Amino acid sequence: DAKTTQPPSMDCAEGRAANLPCNHSTISGNEYVYWYRQIHSQGPQYIIHGLKNNETNEMASLIITEDRKSSTLILPHATLRDTAVYYCIAYKGGSQGNLIFGKGTKLSVKP
Amino acid sequence: DAGITQSPRHKVTETGTPVTLRCHQTENHRYMYWYRQDPGHGLRLIHYSYGVKDTDKGEVSDGYSVSRSKTEDFLLTLESATSSQTSVYFCATMTSGSSYEQYFGPGTRLTVT
Repeated sequence: DAKTTQPPSMDCAEGRAANLPCNHSTISGNEYVYWYRQIHSQGPQYIIHGLKNNETNEMASLIITEDRKSSTLILPHATLRDTAVYYCIAYKGGSQGNLIFGKGTKLSVKP
Repeated sequence: DAGITQSPRHKVTETGTPVTLRCHQTENHRYMYWYRQDPGHGLRLIHYSYGVKDTDKGEVSDGYSVSRSKTEDFLLTLESATSSQTSVYFCATMTSGSSYEQYFGPGTRLTVT
C-alpha cells in the first residue's frame, strides 16, 4: 500500500471548516483513500473513503485530486468534539485488513 | 459502531504469565482483527480472522496466538507475557462487503511488569 504524508498538527476555530490535507503521490490505481480518526485513548473511527470521485457522508467530505496524488478531508463545521488525530490511509482493500496507520494529523479545534 | 466490546479494559500482569484478551461483536461481521498501538509505531496488525476457526498472522504475530470458535468472539492470547508486550490492544471487525471499513473496539490497556 502507498505511503501517505500528512502535516503533524493543525488548528481550527470552532464552527469553521477544517480542511485536512494528505499527499499520496505513489498511490496505485486500485488503492482507495480512507480516513479514520482517533479521539484520545479511544479506538480509531472510520470517517469516509473514496477511489477517485469526491465523496460526502454525514461526517465529512473527501476531495480527491484528478491525478489522485493528494486528497483533502473536510469537516464542514468543526466542533470541540472533532479534536482528534486524523489518519489518511491508502488501502487497496481485501480481508487481510492491514491498515497502515502513520502518524496522522493532530487536529485541535479551539473555541 | 459495530457493537464491539473488549475485556478486560485494563490489566496488569507479571512477566511470564499467560494472558487472554477477549473481543466480542454483535454485528455478525465475518472478519475480525487484533492490533496493538505503541508510541512511535502507530497501529500494527497482530492476527486476523476471516471466519470461524480461520485465522492468519499479521505483521507482529510473534508471541501471540488467537482463536475464533464463534463468529462473535475473537480471543488474543499472550502465551508468556513480556514487557515488550505492554501496549494498548484494539480489536476491529469488518463486514464481508466491498467497502472494507473497519470498526474498532474501545481497546485494552495491558501492562506487563
